[in-house]
Amino acid sequence: EAGVTQFPSHSVIEKGQTVTLRCDPISGHDNLYWYRRVMGKEIKFLLHFVKESKQDESGMPNNRFLAERTGGTYSTLKVQPAELEDSGVYFCASSQVIYEQYFGPGTRLTVT
Amino acid sequence: QKEVEQDPGPLSVPEGAIVSLNCTYSNSAFQYFMWYRQYSRKGPELLMYTYSSGNKEDGRFTAQVDKSSKYISLFIRDSQPSDSATYLCPPRTDKLIFGTGTRLQVFP
Repeated sequence: EAGVTQFPSHSVIEKGQTVTLRCDPISGHDNLYWYRRVMGKEIKFLLHFVKESKQDESGMPNNRFLAERTGGTYSTLKVQPAELEDSGVYFCASSQVIYEQYFGPGTRLTVT
Repeated sequence: QKEVEQDPGPLSVPEGAIVSLNCTYSNSAFQYFMWYRQYSRKGPELLMYTYSSGNKEDGRFTAQVDKSSKYISLFIRDSQPSDSATYLCPPRTDKLIFGTGTRLQVFP
């Protein structure tokens, strides 16, 4: 069974540009989560989808971040416009049983 | 006060040692606890989870919860260099709450 995949693995963009991160969850997993770790900090929750609906987006830092999950399958996280403080590693996780979350390898975002 | 606290380490031990990794938590409402292992430049990998109070064993790993003191532990027996990673102990809620993690180094 394939695990959670994320694309790209690494993205370097300039301040003010737009970046879109993609997450493909484990097949059949209705729950999809986004987390991020900024330099020197703990991994922090961003938001939670159940199928295509946003269940909890309390961790989204501001309106420059937009997450979507089309048809309840893959999800995208768009940052527009990117700022320096958005640099970090963005993780996606999925689960069928709500508490057992399986993580992808992460996307390392560098904003210069 | 942070909800989950861990000593960031690094904790450096020789191969074969018994390792004890510890976390404290502040919210007495937490009932279940997860243990994740994260290798460098990888995503967290689910190791095991345990219900509040008591032990759970899985191979070389034993998770222990002391709810009265809000203290959880992960013991690794016969540690191997491949156990070198960062260990995370988020409470088992719908959104995981992570501490800093403890970096473990097992040297041959």
